[in-house]
Amino acid sequence: SQELEQSPQSLIVQEGKNLTINCTSSKTLYGLYWYKQKYGEGLIFLMMLQKGGEEKSHEKITAKLDEKKQQSSLHITASQPSHAGIYLCGAGIRSGGSNYKLTFGKGTLLTVNP
Amino acid sequence: EPEVTQTPSHQVTQMGQEVILRCVPISNHLYFYWYRQILGQKVEFLVSFYNNEISEKSEIFDDQFSVERPDGSNFTLKIRSTKLEDSAMYFCASRFTGTPGNTIYFGEGSWLTVV
Repeated sequence: SQELEQSPQSLIVQEGKNLTINCTSSKTLYGLYWYKQKYGEGLIFLMMLQKGGEEKSHEKITAKLDEKKQQSSLHITASQPSHAGIYLCGAGIRSGGSNYKLTFGKGTLLTVNP
Repeated sequence: EPEVTQTPSHQVTQMGQEVILRCVPISNHLYFYWYRQILGQKVEFLVSFYNNEISEKSEIFDDQFSVERPDGSNFTLKIRSTKLEDSAMYFCASRFTGTPGNTIYFGEGSWLTVV
């Protein structure tokens, strides 16, 4: 089965600082999704990457997929308290026919201190 | 922006009782999912549903669980006889097509507490 390892498990930064969260897969990635979750709430879609070398940005968040390394990184520039939450990476898994689901990492808890 | 909606947001139930969690997927989506997150653990896949039948299920999704699309808009998860270990956040998700590139959108979740 495919395993996703996220690092770090938790991160505390001062407002305005940059940060990076990594997600490494045990198998080839056929789609890598980043979600943000506030504690006890739903998953908010951030970005989805498919192609090796692909990079996407949304506001101050940039995600890259290094398909050869089976790794993705999420970078936040000039962090704000609104960025605080749990960041989850999810790998798309095809399992025959049109079956497609996500398997998730354990998440990275981000705290941004004002 | 279209969203997946779930009800109830919270439910407390006694062990052994039946629970139905409801979801309204995004209207033009064809693939539906239920995921579960036990407190402090990973989000786990339970079941996927397409064309009015289960397309895939995990080992967690045993005979106590069932899913149904009773009409054109709702998608439900039923737990027949709840156990303490069923306490978790349950997420419904939906997706437009089977193409891997399509985004999977999640609802806000339903907190289930079994006492």
